Amino acid sequence: DGGITQSPKYLFRKEGQNVTLSCEQNLNHDAMYWYRQDPGQGLRLIYYSQIVNDFQKGDIAEGYSVSREKKESFPLTVTSAQKNPTAFYLCASKMESSYNEQFFGPGTRLTVL
Amino acid sequence: AQKVTQAQTEISVVEKEDVTLDCVYETRDTTYYLFWYKQPPSGELVFLIRRNSFDEQNEISGRYSWNFQKSTSSFNFTITASQVVDSAVYFCALSEPLVETNAGKSTFGDGTTLTVKP
Repeated sequence: DGGITQSPKYLFRKEGQNVTLSCEQNLNHDAMYWYRQDPGQGLRLIYYSQIVNDFQKGDIAEGYSVSREKKESFPLTVTSAQKNPTAFYLCASKMESSYNEQFFGPGTRLTVL
Repeated sequence: AQKVTQAQTEISVVEKEDVTLDCVYETRDTTYYLFWYKQPPSGELVFLIRRNSFDEQNEISGRYSWNFQKSTSSFNFTITASQVVDSAVYFCALSEPLVETNAGKSTFGDGTTLTVKP
């Protein structure tokens, strides 16, 4: 079955540590996105990528980094520079067209201890 | 800059009632795309409906219908005869036209939490 997988589902990290969230898709989609969701709030865009080896900052990129070495993979690293990293992180992808909807992964809930 | 406003933070209805979720958007683009997504308690967003800025025809799909009015920049979503399984957070989203490397990214509203009671 085609879809997006994110791992792990729950992640705990100590303050000051970097952590990488995985996102893989087998939908052959060109564009991929990372969002952050805080309780009672909408989705805020962290980074996005339209093609391999290219990505752009979203609205809240500070303290995060990404890579896009393969079309199907778009990992997100939450660095120690992110002041308030505890949140729900969603990865999404879509075919290259504004008309197409985004497909979302199941999300990773990150908690900083 | 694009903006999406969902003024209703929470809505509670009794099963079989009809419910309308409001969405108001702002954009300077003449071409744009509007979406509604559903986020059940599991967390994964699911696409429901879309509309492009050139098509103001309102439609019905099963228990879902939507009302797109460019004159008021609104894209409201109605669930007819609501069911308990409709309980979720609903997001309205506005997508930019695809240019260069913007990946046709979307702006989301803050969501409306719908609770359908039996």
